Amino acid sequence: DAGVIQSPRHEVTEMGQEVTLRCKPISGHNSLFWYRQTMMRGLELLIYFNNNVPIDDSGMPEDRFSAKMPNASFSTLKIQPSEPRDSAVYFCASSWEGYNEQFFGPGTRLTVL
Amino acid sequence: KQEVTQIPAALSVPEGENLVLNCSFTDSAIYNLQWFRQDPGKGLTSLLLIQSSQREQTSGRLNASLDKSSGRSTLYIAASQPGDSATYLCAVRTNTDKLIFGTGTRLQVFP
Repeated sequence: DAGVIQSPRHEVTEMGQEVTLRCKPISGHNSLFWYRQTMMRGLELLIYFNNNVPIDDSGMPEDRFSAKMPNASFSTLKIQPSEPRDSAVYFCASSWEGYNEQFFGPGTRLTVL
Repeated sequence: KQEVTQIPAALSVPEGENLVLNCSFTDSAIYNLQWFRQDPGKGLTSLLLIQSSQREQTSGRLNASLDKSSGRSTLYIAASQPGDSATYLCAVRTNTDKLIFGTGTRLQVFP
């Protein structure tokens, strides 16, 4: 298996621009998680899907952030408009059901200038 | 609110030493606990998963223990090698399926 796939690996954008991060979970997994990692706050869960349905989005910082999972093999995290404080590494992870071992993607390093 | 703390924050040891990394959590009502390794600029690699009903798990030179009642887990690394150098993170899973991550221990093993 190829593992969790994320794209792009690096994104540099200017403040105010829309940013879309993409994730393909491991085939057969039905739970998908978006995390953000910063030096100040460590790893934080943003949103969690189970069977393509958002279960918990309490970690989504603001209305500027939105996430979708149109099917079992694809999810997006969108930031519109982006701000410099959104600069971080964004990870996607998947598991079979939410309580089993989670497997992480390589992350997307986002820099907002 | 569940809080997860890891001690020490950083550790530097010579190759060959056995070492222990500590993880503590404030709420013992956890579903399981997972240890990860993160190399600089990389994603997280799952090392071990301990269910709340288990006391320990082993994988190669790694052994993780769990004492739910005292809110503690330890990761034991035997015969450390320079390739073990990385940041080690523990994470507890609550009954809401959220993973709450610790602050991490940055390990350096020098030859």
